[in-house]
Amino acid sequence: AQKVTQAQTEISVVEKEDVTLDCVYETRDTTYYLFWYKQPPSGELVFLIRRNSFDEQNEISGRYSWNFQKSTSSFNFTITASQVVDSAVYFCALAVGTSGTYKYIFGTGTRLKVLA
Amino acid sequence: EAQVTQNPRYLITVTGKKLTVTCSQNMNHEYMSWYRQDPGLGLRQIYYSMNVEVTDKGDVPEGYKVSRKEKRNFPLILESPSPNQTSLYFCASRPGLAERIYEQYFGPGTRLTVT
Repeated sequence: AQKVTQAQTEISVVEKEDVTLDCVYETRDTTYYLFWYKQPPSGELVFLIRRNSFDEQNEISGRYSWNFQKSTSSFNFTITASQVVDSAVYFCALAVGTSGTYKYIFGTGTRLKVLA
Repeated sequence: EAQVTQNPRYLITVTGKKLTVTCSQNMNHEYMSWYRQDPGLGLRQIYYSMNVEVTDKGDVPEGYKVSRKEKRNFPLILESPSPNQTSLYFCASRPGLAERIYEQYFGPGTRLTVT
């Protein structure tokens, strides 16, 4: 069975602190995709990043970075020098596919509060 | 502007009164899906469609119907809504697998309350 676990329900940090959001996934498939989405208070879901199972390179985009480790089945997300605008719920998701279809499994989300 | 639209954005209805939430995308995407978001449960997939006239159940399909008669539209139908279907609903789409783009793009959400 596939599963995504975001054990941190809510995190509060003070502005300019670094924060890491954890994501652990389970799948027996060798080909899969991992995603992070941001849901700001306005409610929409914003795509942040995709990673495939064959690419363990870490990625940095401005203040955001992602650490993908297959050995621990983790795809963690770090925000450096957090800002109030980073306050949102962040979802990690897994896509696994067979026969040309893909099933998407979302974690339960981590609510990040960045305090001024 | 490339987007996924949903209507209505907010809906309050009563138990048993049939309703339809529309979803439309202008990106010529093959794949469309519906999710519900509930506190502490994240997003759970209701139904998805790989292409016109091809639909399949997700994890929580009970009480819902869908249809895909046109590529751009994927309405969600609640034939007899019940209070446990009170939730935030998202429609999403993505290109076909041949385009090797696997992330989904989401609509703005529909907040449904069934009393």
